[in-house]
Amino acid sequence: NAGVMQNPRHLVRRRGQEARLRCSPVKGHSHVYWYRQLPEEGLKFMVYLQKENIIDESGMPKERFSAEFPKEGPSILRIQQVVRGDSAAYFCASSRLVDQPQHFGDGTRLSIL
Amino acid sequence: QKEVEQNSGPLSVPEGAIASLNCTYSDRGSQSFFWYRQYSGKSPELIMSIYSNGDKEDGRFTAQLNKASQYVSLLIRDSQPSDSATYLCAVNGPGNTGKLIFGQGTTLQVKP
Repeated sequence: NAGVMQNPRHLVRRRGQEARLRCSPVKGHSHVYWYRQLPEEGLKFMVYLQKENIIDESGMPKERFSAEFPKEGPSILRIQQVVRGDSAAYFCASSRLVDQPQHFGDGTRLSIL
Repeated sequence: QKEVEQNSGPLSVPEGAIASLNCTYSDRGSQSFFWYRQYSGKSPELIMSIYSNGDKEDGRFTAQLNKASQYVSLLIRDSQPSDSATYLCAVNGPGNTGKLIFGQGTTLQVKP
């Protein structure tokens, strides 16, 4: 069984460009979560989605960041007009039910030049 | 007060010893508790989940939960050098919406 698949593993962008991070959950999991880990810091929740719905986006920055989980295809975390401070590891996790353990993908390491 | 607190360590134990990792949380309504292990540069890996007061054992790992004291711990018996990693305590957020709140993590070093 494939786990949570994230791509790309590494992404390099210049300031002002857009970054798109993709996440395919474990087969059968309909709950997807995005977390960000800044260098030398802990994991911080960003957003929780179910198919076609954003359930909790309390951790998302108010500007430039958006997320979706369409009916077909992977979940996408989109960062517009990236800045140096966006450099971090972005992890996606999924669970079968909302109160069950979340399983993490390998993450996308985003570097901003 | 942080929502989930862990001693950052490093916690150093000799090979074969018991490592004890502790975590406190602030939201009395939390119902789900998890321990993850994260090797440097890697993603978090689920070690244990615990939902009710008491102990839960899985191989060399034992999770302990005390909701009255808002305290959860992880014991690692017969520690091995391969256990050297950062251990993250995670608690479900207010309203059980699926949001996990993580502690800063405790770095464990197991010395041969």
